Amino acid sequence: KQEVTQIPAALSVPEGENLVLNCSFTDSAIYNLQWFRQDPGKGLTSLLLIQSSQREQTSGRLNASLDKSSGRSTLYIAASQPGDSATYLCAVPLPGANNLFFGTGTRLTVIP
Amino acid sequence: KAGVTQTPRYLIKTRGQQVTLSCSPISGHRSVSWYQQTPGQGLQFLFEYFSETQRNKGNFPGRFSGRQFSNSRSEMNVSTLELGDSALYLCASSTGTSGKETQYFGPGTRLLVL
Repeated sequence: KQEVTQIPAALSVPEGENLVLNCSFTDSAIYNLQWFRQDPGKGLTSLLLIQSSQREQTSGRLNASLDKSSGRSTLYIAASQPGDSATYLCAVPLPGANNLFFGTGTRLTVIP
Repeated sequence: KAGVTQTPRYLIKTRGQQVTLSCSPISGHRSVSWYQQTPGQGLQFLFEYFSETQRNKGNFPGRFSGRQFSNSRSEMNVSTLELGDSALYLCASSTGTSGKETQYFGPGTRLLVL
């Protein structure tokens, strides 16, 4: 069974700092990995999708990497802003299916 | 393009009642998946519907059921509500190619069972 872990569970950083969020998964037979953002009490916003054939995806200040062989992904946020404060979740699909296994999330607080 | 919509946004029910939640996917998307989010268990997959057929099912009791209509809109029903069913219920839509494309989530329905 796929297990997805995110470390740390919570992170506080001062505004302007660069930071890295980590995601690890036990079964490397994945099609892709998706990073989401969730604001308190809200739904999920898709940030980046990395296909298994890719090693990186970038969107603005966000960069996600994927290393299938080691079962790890990282989300790099450059020049953090208070508006980046949210919970960040990574998710991988079940083999041959469309449904996602989610990590436990990292709650990020960016202090002005 | 309009995003995924869910109704109602908030619900309060009492134990033993039943509830129906609705999800309208992005136009052109044929897959709708449902998830339950609780503080203790995180996000857990309930089931997925594709072209009016349940394609995958998570590990939830039979009190949780769903269906999908010909226009891809989906409903989820929970019967005989329990206190532990209090959660944020999220639906996600995608084109339906297994595991290969982005899933888009709605804002969720927050259910409180008293």
